[in-house]
Amino acid sequence: GAVVSQHPSWVICKSGTSVKIECRSLDFQATTMFWYRQFPKQSLMLMATSNEGSKATYEQGVEKDKFLINHASLTLSTLTVTSAHPEDSSFYICSAREGGQLPVYEQYFGPGTRLTVT
Amino acid sequence: AQSVAQPEDQVNVAEGNPLTVKCTYSVSGNPYLFWYVQYPNRGLQFLLKYITGDNLVKGSYGFEAEFNKSQTSFHLKKPSALVSDSALYFCAVRERAGNMLTFGGGTRLMVKP
Repeated sequence: GAVVSQHPSWVICKSGTSVKIECRSLDFQATTMFWYRQFPKQSLMLMATSNEGSKATYEQGVEKDKFLINHASLTLSTLTVTSAHPEDSSFYICSAREGGQLPVYEQYFGPGTRLTVT
Repeated sequence: AQSVAQPEDQVNVAEGNPLTVKCTYSVSGNPYLFWYVQYPNRGLQFLLKYITGDNLVKGSYGFEAEFNKSQTSFHLKKPSALVSDSALYFCAVRERAGNMLTFGGGTRLMVKP
């Protein structure tokens, strides 16, 4: 089946620094990638949707300048948390959907990245 | 706007007993419906989906779900629970013409020996 990987699986950084999280589709071409954020014991909240080669579409309330998303290729999207603060500590999950014949409804999830900002 | 409700924060069941995790949805038109499972500090694993056709959908690990259009529900079921089924379960919906998957709040399933 389709596999999505994330790197790193966990990261600890100091307040004020930036952190980059990578999301890769390993065996398919992901025309669309999604970034979610999950707080403890809560559901997944969509942060942004990105299409390869285009600017990401951010959900209301998500700061574009703080959460930089790049989807430069069909197999890689990155989320950079800039000037991280403790309130950015969370579990970040990416998801990918392959292109091709519509309708496309399969969405594959990465294993998540635990970010802790100290 | 589409939405999903999982009315139970936690479901407790004894091993070997049947289990049901409830999900209701609201969406324009006919939905795509999904169930995912999440183990601690892990991403989501796909269990099953309803796209069209038979209302009873069978998925991974012996789980199944029944689509009920009149009640706008998509409850997850399993005839005989295992301790290893203990995890967090998410129901999700997507409009057929849409791009976004909306998740319910999640239900923690606890299966006791």
